[in-house]
Amino acid sequence: QKEVEQDPGPLSVPEGAIVSLNCTYSNSAFQYFMWYRQYSRKGPELLMYTYSSGNKEDGRFTAQVDKSSKYISLFIRDSQPSDSATYLCAMSAGNNDMRFGAGTRLTVKP
Amino acid sequence: KAGVTQTPRYLIKTRGQQVTLSCSPISGHRSVSWYQQTPGQGLQFLFEYFSETQRNKGNFPGRFSGRQFSNSRSEMNVSTLELGDSALYLCASSRDVNTEAFFGQGTRLTVV
Repeated sequence: QKEVEQDPGPLSVPEGAIVSLNCTYSNSAFQYFMWYRQYSRKGPELLMYTYSSGNKEDGRFTAQVDKSSKYISLFIRDSQPSDSATYLCAMSAGNNDMRFGAGTRLTVKP
Repeated sequence: KAGVTQTPRYLIKTRGQQVTLSCSPISGHRSVSWYQQTPGQGLQFLFEYFSETQRNKGNFPGRFSGRQFSNSRSEMNVSTLELGDSALYLCASSRDVNTEAFFGQGTRLTVV
């Protein structure tokens, strides 16, 4: 079993849809949870950074962390074609050693 | 504010050679982490440097090494290259531990 599980997709949605991306993990020591977006041939771009359980909102993006279920989510509202990318969840126990999910490839169709 | 800069962007090397990759972190950031990204294994942690000291190391062979200079710039070296070392090598910069990490564009290494 991988330490961080993420459905690789691909996921295809129409423009304007709400997108839900999820990861599960097995290491209860993880306390910091991140979502990155990666366009083809580019480095990952940090979208959300959260500590412990709870919700965090930033514009069209909402990150949720449920440590009791070892489950994290990223919601994208009013999705745009420019949101088409691979989304990576990442987490760490607080030592800058981030463990990544496999990434979910998202396509938002006009 | 300048982002994380990695050089070179692309590199082609022959099996058995060695290679050095460079990373300049965001100004004021003292932590630099290196990751390897491949289609099969995804993103994997190599090591992290803070104030010229290696603080953490992932599960990679000793052929992978790094260092950090007093200006926080970091280099990563891979010796005796193997075909399986072909990957995108990414550097992440953060102010300290438990702070946001920002990635560079990566160096794409191809070993032939």
